[in-house]
Amino acid sequence: EAQVTQNPRYLITVTGKKLTVTCSQNMNHEYMSWYRQDPGLGLRQIYYSMNVEVTDKGDVPEGYKVSRKEKRNFPLILESPSPNQTSLYFCASSFRREKYEQYFGPGTRLTVT
Amino acid sequence: GEDVEQSLFLSVREGDSSVINCTYTDSSSTYLYWYKQEPGAGLQLLTYIFSNMDMKQDQRLTVLLNKKDKHLSLRIADTQTGDSAIYFCAESRNNNDMRFGAGTRLTVKP
Repeated sequence: EAQVTQNPRYLITVTGKKLTVTCSQNMNHEYMSWYRQDPGLGLRQIYYSMNVEVTDKGDVPEGYKVSRKEKRNFPLILESPSPNQTSLYFCASSFRREKYEQYFGPGTRLTVT
Repeated sequence: GEDVEQSLFLSVREGDSSVINCTYTDSSSTYLYWYKQEPGAGLQLLTYIFSNMDMKQDQRLTVLLNKKDKHLSLRIADTQTGDSAIYFCAESRNNNDMRFGAGTRLTVKP
């Protein structure tokens, strides 16, 4: 089954404790992206990647890092999480040519206390 | 930065048409999208339109684009209770980065 998976789905952590949210897709998509969703703000793009070893900042990259060492994986790293990073995070992927047809993962709800 | 705006709530009766509106500020937007998010789920692409089009129809969905006014709308004909969800408008200049509206929560009453 074609899908985008994220782990963990739920995470409660404390300020400053490094964490990684994994994202994996099995559709051989070149393009992958991370978003955060906050009430009243919709989705905001954090980082995106056009292909392996190619990443770019989105609208709200501060406090986040990403890597794209393999085509299927695009982890989101929070080196020192802060409470303002409490949010719902979505990973998405698509073929580079048809980027409008993005497939979204189920979301990761992160709470930083 | 560039904005995408939509009203937050819409309530309709089952069988009526729903019209969800969206405005954007970036005149160089090339791609415009509508996504649907059901409770506890990720976003699902409903339809998209290129900026050189005025209208796109797909079964019960009709997308209208007024590029001069930077206004996009999604019409759902014969709205059903299963259409209750949050609908996001989004735009992209170069299909690399995307900007989303805050989402319109559609409630369909029986």
